[in-house]
This record gives sequence, structure tokens and C-alpha cells, in this order.
Amino acid sequence: SQQGEEDPQALSIQEGENATMNCSYKTSINNLQWYRQNSGRGLVHLILIRSNEREKHSGRLRVTLDTSKKSSSLLITASRAADTASYFCATDPIKAAGNKLTFGGGTRVLVKP
Amino acid sequence: EADIYQTPRYLVIGTGKKITLECSQTMGHDKMYWYQQDPGMELHLIHYSYGVNSTEKGDLSSESTVSRIRTEHFPLTLESARPSHTSQYLCASSGPLGTGAFYLGELFFGEGSRLTVL
Repeated sequence: SQQGEEDPQALSIQEGENATMNCSYKTSINNLQWYRQNSGRGLVHLILIRSNEREKHSGRLRVTLDTSKKSSSLLITASRAADTASYFCATDPIKAAGNKLTFGGGTRVLVKP
Repeated sequence: EADIYQTPRYLVIGTGKKITLECSQTMGHDKMYWYQQDPGMELHLIHYSYGVNSTEKGDLSSESTVSRIRTEHFPLTLESARPSHTSQYLCASSGPLGTGAFYLGELFFGEGSRLTVL
């Protein structure tokens, strides 16, 4: 089963609005990362938050991490049409066999102009 | 821009053909990965490598094979393609997260190879 699961699966908002998506995971982690994928392209890293951090900002992005609830959220403020993409969380689990990230199913975000 | 390249971007072939998807990175990363992704779906890890002559199978069973003879090159081969292999294949690489890093840093992805087997 997936280590990370995003919620909602899809999100449609107007330009200028904020977009919030959540990620839940099952096992303890070293860090959690968020990625963006434009249609038909590869993934692009957005932000990494370590297990001992609670909040991190990068431009219009704000990520929170609650290790007690095993969840994270990604907030995109003042969204733009160019933010239309799928957003994935990925976890680096502690004690996982092998040094590899596990991705969730993604949230598809549509920003309407 | 990530310095990781995949070729071909698109490939349409017939059943039974042998194909190799190429992946190269110029960042000197030791760790490299192949993910399989159907449209709009999650990524599944099918192969990874910690360095030269190291290859491991991922979480999703795959009939493909990989090799890592050079640090920068991590090709994926299908000996006999079938329609069930139709998918997007994403290659990625990763460096260490800081000093003494056991933890994973960010992954750098190629643009993907979209394979269609007729």
C-alpha cells in the first residue's frame, strides 16, 4: 500500500485563490518532500521538510509537517494559471529497505484564469 | 533545469520488440531510479541503483532490466515488449542530503519516456 496519500485527489480553484492539499503517511520518516508534475512531463522538486521541522516556506509555498499525526500540508497562495499541475508528496521512511522515496497518488490542481 | 536526460521521449513499437530507454545525468549522483507511471496515477519504483555495478528491484515487479556500468548512465531494457508495458517511465537521480547523509535529498527527474506497445 502507498506510504503517502494525498487529499483531495483533485482541486479546482480560481486564479488568486489559495490551494491547500494534504498528505498522510503510515510510518516514521526522515523527511517529506513535495513535487510538481506538469502534464506529460517529469517531476520537479518543490520543497523538503525534515522530520524535526514543523513549517517551511518557499516563495508562495508553505509546507507544514505534523509527525504526531503523520501528515503534511502544502499551501499555494495567490495561485496562478501556471500552477495547474499534479502535486505529489514523497516520504523517506526510517528503516525502509533501500534508500528510496515513496510517492503518493497526487493531487491534480486546476487553476482557472 | 536538472541535468538528467531521457531518450526517447516517445516510442511506439510492436509487440515482441526489444527496447532500451536511455537515462543519463551529469551531476555525478550515485543514486539513480526508474519509476513507472500510468497517466494521472501514482509513481511506482521499479529499479534503483546506489552506484556503479549496483542494481536493485523496486517495489513494483517489472519484467524490465537495468544496468549501471557508468555513474552517469542507467539504461532500462525490455527484452520483449508487450501491450501491458505501455506506460510512462521516469528516470531520476539523487545526491546526498548534506554531509554524512544517509537520508535522501531531492530527486532530479528526467522528462520521461512514454512507451506505447501495440
